[in-house]
Amino acid sequence: GAVVSQHPSRVICKSGTSVKIECRSLDFQATTMFWYRQFPKQSLMLMATSNEGSKATYEQGVEKDKFLINHASLTLSTLTVTSAHPEDSSFYICSAAPGTGNPFEQYFGPGTRLTVT
Amino acid sequence: KNEVEQSPQNLTAQEGEFITINCSYSVGISALHWLQQHPGGGIVSLFMLSSGKKKHGRLIATINIQEKHSSLHITASHPRDSAVYICAVDTGTASKLTFGTGTRLQVTL
Repeated sequence: GAVVSQHPSRVICKSGTSVKIECRSLDFQATTMFWYRQFPKQSLMLMATSNEGSKATYEQGVEKDKFLINHASLTLSTLTVTSAHPEDSSFYICSAAPGTGNPFEQYFGPGTRLTVT
Repeated sequence: KNEVEQSPQNLTAQEGEFITINCSYSVGISALHWLQQHPGGGIVSLFMLSSGKKKHGRLIATINIQEKHSSLHITASHPRDSAVYICAVDTGTASKLTFGTGTRLQVTL
Protein backbone atom coordinates (compact mmCIF):
# COMPACT_ATOMS: atom_id res chain seq x y z
CA GLY A 1 0.00 0.00 0.00
CA ALA A 2 0.84 3.72 0.06
CA VAL A 3 2.14 4.02 -3.48
CA VAL A 4 2.78 7.34 -5.16
CA SER A 5 3.42 7.52 -8.89
CA GLN A 6 4.80 10.27 -11.06
CA HIS A 7 4.47 10.76 -14.77
CA PRO A 8 6.51 11.15 -16.82
CA SER A 9 9.64 9.66 -15.30
CA ARG A 10 11.83 11.55 -17.75
CA VAL A 11 11.12 14.45 -20.04
CA ILE A 12 13.25 16.49 -22.40
CA CYS A 13 11.83 19.74 -23.68
CA LYS A 14 13.01 22.78 -25.56
CA SER A 15 13.63 26.09 -23.91
CA GLY A 16 10.48 28.20 -23.79
CA THR A 17 8.01 25.34 -23.72
CA SER A 18 5.90 24.18 -20.77
CA VAL A 19 6.01 20.79 -19.12
CA LYS A 20 3.40 19.17 -16.88
CA ILE A 21 4.35 16.59 -14.27
CA GLU A 22 1.68 14.47 -12.57
CA CYS A 23 1.79 13.06 -9.06
CA ARG A 24 -0.80 10.45 -8.09
CA SER A 25 -1.50 8.63 -4.87
CA LEU A 26 -2.60 5.21 -6.09
CA ASP A 27 -4.15 3.58 -3.06
CA PHE A 28 -4.90 6.36 -0.63
CA GLN A 29 -6.29 9.85 -0.56
CA ALA A 30 -3.78 12.61 -0.07
CA THR A 31 -5.04 15.81 1.46
CA THR A 32 -1.58 17.32 1.17
CA MET A 33 1.06 16.89 -1.51
CA PHE A 34 4.54 18.34 -1.56
CA TRP A 35 6.75 19.18 -4.51
CA TYR A 36 10.52 19.03 -4.17
CA ARG A 37 13.40 19.79 -6.47
CA GLN A 38 16.80 18.18 -6.32
CA PHE A 39 19.88 19.39 -8.16
CA PRO A 40 22.79 16.97 -8.74
CA LYS A 41 24.64 16.00 -5.59
CA GLN A 42 22.34 18.17 -3.50
CA SER A 43 19.58 17.46 -1.07
CA LEU A 44 15.89 17.84 -1.75
CA MET A 45 14.47 21.33 -1.48
CA LEU A 46 10.79 21.90 -0.85
CA MET A 47 9.21 24.02 -3.56
CA ALA A 48 5.58 24.12 -2.52
CA THR A 49 2.86 22.50 -0.49
CA SER A 50 -0.52 21.86 -2.03
CA ASN A 51 -3.77 21.02 -0.33
CA GLU A 52 -6.68 19.62 -2.26
CA GLY A 53 -9.03 22.31 -3.45
CA SER A 54 -6.94 25.27 -2.37
CA LYS A 55 -4.03 27.31 -3.65
CA ALA A 56 -0.54 26.00 -3.18
CA THR A 57 1.83 27.54 -0.65
CA TYR A 58 5.20 28.29 -2.21
CA GLU A 59 8.52 28.41 -0.42
CA GLN A 60 10.53 31.59 -0.47
CA GLY A 61 12.34 32.08 -3.75
CA VAL A 62 10.06 29.79 -5.77
CA GLU A 63 8.19 31.64 -8.51
CA LYS A 64 4.55 30.67 -8.34
CA ASP A 65 3.86 31.93 -11.86
CA LYS A 66 6.61 29.73 -13.23
CA PHE A 67 5.81 26.60 -11.27
CA LEU A 68 2.04 26.17 -11.43
CA ILE A 69 0.60 23.65 -9.03
CA ASN A 70 -2.90 22.22 -9.21
CA HIS A 71 -4.25 19.80 -6.61
CA ALA A 72 -7.63 19.20 -8.16
CA SER A 73 -8.46 15.92 -6.46
CA LEU A 74 -7.44 13.89 -3.44
CA THR A 75 -5.31 11.63 -5.60
CA LEU A 76 -3.75 13.98 -8.15
CA SER A 77 -1.49 17.00 -8.06
CA THR A 78 0.22 18.48 -11.08
CA LEU A 79 3.27 20.69 -11.41
CA THR A 80 3.59 22.70 -14.62
CA VAL A 81 6.94 24.29 -15.39
CA THR A 82 6.07 27.19 -17.64
CA SER A 83 8.46 28.69 -20.19
CA ALA A 84 11.14 26.26 -19.12
CA HIS A 85 14.80 27.25 -19.28
CA PRO A 86 17.94 25.13 -19.00
CA GLU A 87 18.38 26.20 -15.37
CA ASP A 88 15.05 24.49 -14.61
CA SER A 89 16.64 21.16 -15.49
CA SER A 90 16.42 19.15 -12.30
CA PHE A 91 14.90 16.13 -10.60
CA TYR A 92 11.38 16.86 -9.39
CA ILE A 93 9.90 14.69 -6.66
CA CYS A 94 6.48 14.74 -5.07
CA SER A 95 5.31 13.30 -1.81
CA ALA A 96 1.82 12.72 -0.51
CA ALA A 97 0.48 12.80 3.02
CA PRO A 98 -2.65 10.81 3.83
CA GLY A 99 -5.35 12.72 5.56
CA THR A 100 -5.92 9.95 8.08
CA GLY A 101 -3.73 7.92 10.40
CA ASN A 102 -0.33 9.15 11.48
CA PRO A 103 -0.21 12.89 10.67
CA PHE A 104 3.51 12.80 9.92
CA GLU A 105 3.46 10.08 7.29
CA GLN A 106 4.62 11.00 3.81
CA TYR A 107 5.10 8.77 0.80
CA PHE A 108 7.39 9.75 -2.01
CA GLY A 109 7.01 9.40 -5.75
CA PRO A 110 9.80 8.02 -7.93
CA GLY A 111 10.66 11.43 -9.34
CA THR A 112 10.71 13.09 -12.77
CA ARG A 113 13.95 14.07 -14.42
CA LEU A 114 13.48 17.22 -16.49
CA THR A 115 16.05 18.27 -19.05
CA VAL A 116 15.56 21.57 -20.83
CA THR A 117 17.64 22.03 -23.96
CA LYS B 1 25.17 25.36 10.18
CA ASN B 2 22.48 23.13 8.68
CA GLU B 3 19.54 22.23 10.86
CA VAL B 4 20.06 18.57 9.95
CA GLU B 5 23.56 17.12 9.81
CA GLN B 6 24.44 13.63 8.68
CA SER B 7 27.63 11.68 9.09
CA PRO B 8 29.51 10.30 7.42
CA GLN B 9 28.95 11.93 4.03
CA ASN B 10 30.42 8.94 2.23
CA LEU B 11 30.80 5.40 3.43
CA THR B 12 32.31 2.35 1.81
CA ALA B 13 31.79 -1.05 3.39
CA GLN B 14 32.41 -4.65 2.52
CA GLU B 15 29.51 -7.04 2.16
CA GLY B 16 28.42 -8.35 5.52
CA GLU B 17 29.61 -5.38 7.56
CA PHE B 18 27.44 -3.64 10.14
CA ILE B 19 26.80 -0.04 9.08
CA THR B 20 25.77 2.99 11.10
CA ILE B 21 24.68 6.33 9.69
CA ASN B 22 24.12 9.21 12.05
CA CYS B 23 21.77 12.18 11.97
CA SER B 24 21.84 15.14 14.33
CA TYR B 25 19.37 17.99 14.28
CA SER B 26 19.14 21.31 16.04
CA VAL B 27 15.41 22.03 15.99
CA GLY B 28 12.43 20.63 17.81
CA ILE B 29 10.78 17.91 15.77
CA SER B 30 7.55 15.99 15.59
CA ALA B 31 8.99 13.10 13.62
CA LEU B 32 12.12 11.98 11.81
CA HIS B 33 12.23 10.16 8.50
CA TRP B 34 14.92 7.94 7.05
CA LEU B 35 14.79 7.74 3.28
CA GLN B 36 16.72 5.73 0.72
CA GLN B 37 17.52 7.14 -2.71
CA HIS B 38 18.84 4.79 -5.36
CA PRO B 39 21.05 5.91 -8.27
CA GLY B 40 17.99 6.26 -10.51
CA GLY B 41 16.69 8.89 -8.13
CA GLY B 42 13.56 7.29 -6.73
CA ILE B 43 13.05 7.71 -3.01
CA VAL B 44 11.81 5.00 -0.66
CA SER B 45 10.63 5.81 2.81
CA LEU B 46 12.38 3.46 5.23
CA PHE B 47 11.25 4.66 8.63
CA MET B 48 9.31 7.36 10.31
CA LEU B 49 9.84 7.61 14.04
CA SER B 50 9.28 10.02 16.86
CA SER B 51 10.68 7.96 19.72
CA GLY B 52 12.50 4.76 20.51
CA LYS B 53 13.47 2.22 17.92
CA LYS B 54 12.05 0.57 14.84
CA LYS B 55 13.23 -2.51 12.97
CA HIS B 56 12.43 -3.69 9.48
CA GLY B 57 14.37 -6.64 8.17
CA ARG B 58 18.07 -5.79 8.33
CA LEU B 59 17.40 -2.13 9.01
CA ILE B 60 17.13 -0.59 12.47
CA ALA B 61 16.43 3.05 13.25
CA THR B 62 16.77 4.66 16.65
CA ILE B 63 16.10 8.13 17.90
CA ASN B 64 17.04 9.98 21.08
CA ILE B 65 14.81 13.03 21.36
CA GLN B 66 16.72 14.53 24.30
CA GLU B 67 20.02 14.36 22.45
CA LYS B 68 18.45 15.31 19.09
CA HIS B 69 20.10 12.37 17.41
CA SER B 70 19.06 9.43 15.29
CA SER B 71 20.95 6.48 13.84
CA LEU B 72 20.22 4.12 10.99
CA HIS B 73 21.86 0.72 11.21
CA ILE B 74 22.17 -1.87 8.48
CA THR B 75 23.10 -5.36 9.55
CA ALA B 76 24.77 -7.85 7.20
CA SER B 77 25.14 -5.23 4.48
CA HIS B 78 24.78 -6.22 0.85
CA PRO B 79 25.73 -4.50 -2.41
CA ARG B 80 22.04 -3.84 -3.09
CA ASP B 81 22.06 -1.58 -0.02
CA SER B 82 24.27 0.83 -1.99
CA ALA B 83 22.32 4.08 -2.14
CA VAL B 84 22.10 7.52 -0.61
CA TYR B 85 20.45 7.52 2.80
CA ILE B 86 18.73 10.73 3.78
CA CYS B 87 17.55 11.88 7.17
CA ALA B 88 14.65 14.35 7.19
CA VAL B 89 12.91 16.00 10.12
CA ASP B 90 9.35 17.14 10.42
CA THR B 91 9.18 20.20 12.62
CA GLY B 92 5.43 19.94 12.81
CA THR B 93 4.78 22.98 10.64
CA ALA B 94 2.37 21.65 8.05
CA SER B 95 4.52 18.51 7.79
CA LYS B 96 7.25 20.34 5.90
CA LEU B 97 10.44 18.31 5.94
CA THR B 98 13.97 19.58 6.35
CA PHE B 99 16.50 17.27 4.77
CA GLY B 100 20.03 16.31 5.61
CA THR B 101 22.57 16.24 2.81
CA GLY B 102 22.58 12.47 2.68
CA THR B 103 25.09 9.69 3.23
CA ARG B 104 26.33 7.92 0.13
CA LEU B 105 26.85 4.24 0.93
CA GLN B 106 28.74 1.87 -1.29
CA VAL B 107 28.82 -1.80 -0.32
CA THR B 108 31.35 -3.89 -2.18
CA LEU B 109 31.72 -7.64 -2.54
